[in-house]
Amino acid sequence: DGGITQSPKYLFRKEGQNVTLSCEQNLNHDAMYWYRQDPGQGLRLIYYSQIVNDFQKGDIAEGYSVSREKKESFPLTVTSAQKNPTAFYLCASSMPWGSRSSGNTIYFGEGSWLTVV
Amino acid sequence: AQKITQTQPGMFVQEKEAVTLDCTYDTSDPSYGLFWYKQPSSGEMIFLIYQGSYDQQNATEGRYSLNFQKARKSANLVISASQLGDSAMYFCAMRGSYNTDKLIFGTGTRLQVFP
Repeated sequence: DGGITQSPKYLFRKEGQNVTLSCEQNLNHDAMYWYRQDPGQGLRLIYYSQIVNDFQKGDIAEGYSVSREKKESFPLTVTSAQKNPTAFYLCASSMPWGSRSSGNTIYFGEGSWLTVV
Repeated sequence: AQKITQTQPGMFVQEKEAVTLDCTYDTSDPSYGLFWYKQPSSGEMIFLIYQGSYDQQNATEGRYSLNFQKARKSANLVISASQLGDSAMYFCAMRGSYNTDKLIFGTGTRLQVFP
């Protein structure tokens, strides 16, 4: 089945460590996104990528890094510079705005819970 | 600037009744899309329904319908015949032609369905 796969589902990070969250999609979508959600709040955009080898900062990019070497993959690294990384992270993908093939909908993975210990 | 406002932090509805979740938006984009997502306690964000700004008819998907009033800039979600499994957080979101890379979210409404 087509979809977006995030791993791991749960991740614990020690102070000062970098950790990487995986996101893979087989929907043939051009654009991919990373969002952060804190308890009881909405989603905030961290990074997004419209095409391979290109990505842009979202609203809260500080302390995070990404890469887009393949169309299907958009991993997110939470660096030690991120002071408060404990949150729920959601990866998403979509076709470009105005695409007819699947409309303008942005689809999400199941998310990853990151906790600092 | 784009903004989504959900003014209902929480809603209660009895099973089998209908419920309306409110959403208003603000945008200067000539073309935009409005979305509703459901987020159960497991955390996944489930796409429910989409309404394009130029769509002439209100969107419907099974028990979900979107009451789109463009002049009032509102896009309320109507859930008919509520089920216990509908208990979740519901988010309204917008994507616009001037800012296609972002999906702007509201703060969400927690819906609880009781027997």
